[in-house]
Amino acid sequence: QVQLVESGGGLVKPGGSLRLSCAASGFTFSDYYMSWIRQAPGKGLEWVSYIGSSSSYTKYADSVKGRFTISRDNAKNSLYLQMNSLRAEDTAVYYCARDRSGDYDIWGQGTMVTVSS
Amino acid sequence: SSELTQDPAVSVALGQTVRITCQGDSLRSYYASWFQQKPGQAPVLVIYGKTNRPSGIPDRFSGSGSGNTASLTITGAQAEDEADYYCNSRDSSGNLHVFGTGTKVTVL
Repeated sequence: QVQLVESGGGLVKPGGSLRLSCAASGFTFSDYYMSWIRQAPGKGLEWVSYIGSSSSYTKYADSVKGRFTISRDNAKNSLYLQMNSLRAEDTAVYYCARDRSGDYDIWGQGTMVTVSS
Repeated sequence: SSELTQDPAVSVALGQTVRITCQGDSLRSYYASWFQQKPGQAPVLVIYGKTNRPSGIPDRFSGSGSGNTASLTITGAQAEDEADYYCNSRDSSGNLHVFGTGTKVTVL
């Protein structure tokens, strides 16, 4: 069935790095834009970044621009988020989602990232 | 800070109708989508392209909009509709995505 599964979350110290992965199955991954969306504990949803179907187009929220890098490998049906210079305010559940111009119709279950010393 | 503003919380009696609104200047140019999120779960798309329902979403959910406001209406609210609801659209530049501040719906 159509599915997204995130991995790579964990505990990291401020200033550290982490790479999240999202494995897609059940649909033609290379046909779709993909997004990362996060949710801090007890807070609302925040869009983080999206990437075009062939990786030629990427955008980032101002809060992560210059620190996070989104990428994909269509041959492996996988989406990635490289997170550098992590801050306490980056602590959140990170979701990957299939993106149809902001209509996120498929979501993963999320992976928790905790930035703390 | 979010460019899309929602009321923090609304309540509705079982079987009655509730409207959730989302306000922002970008809505004059771009459609909103709506997401339902229950505790401990990933969000679910309930309305896209302002008025369209994905398959599997009950027809008691409907979307509308005019000017700088998008709305999600639940007609005949059920206990299982109790959740947080978020709108989503573009920011004022049109290049980035943005979520609304979220509305907690309580079914009494």
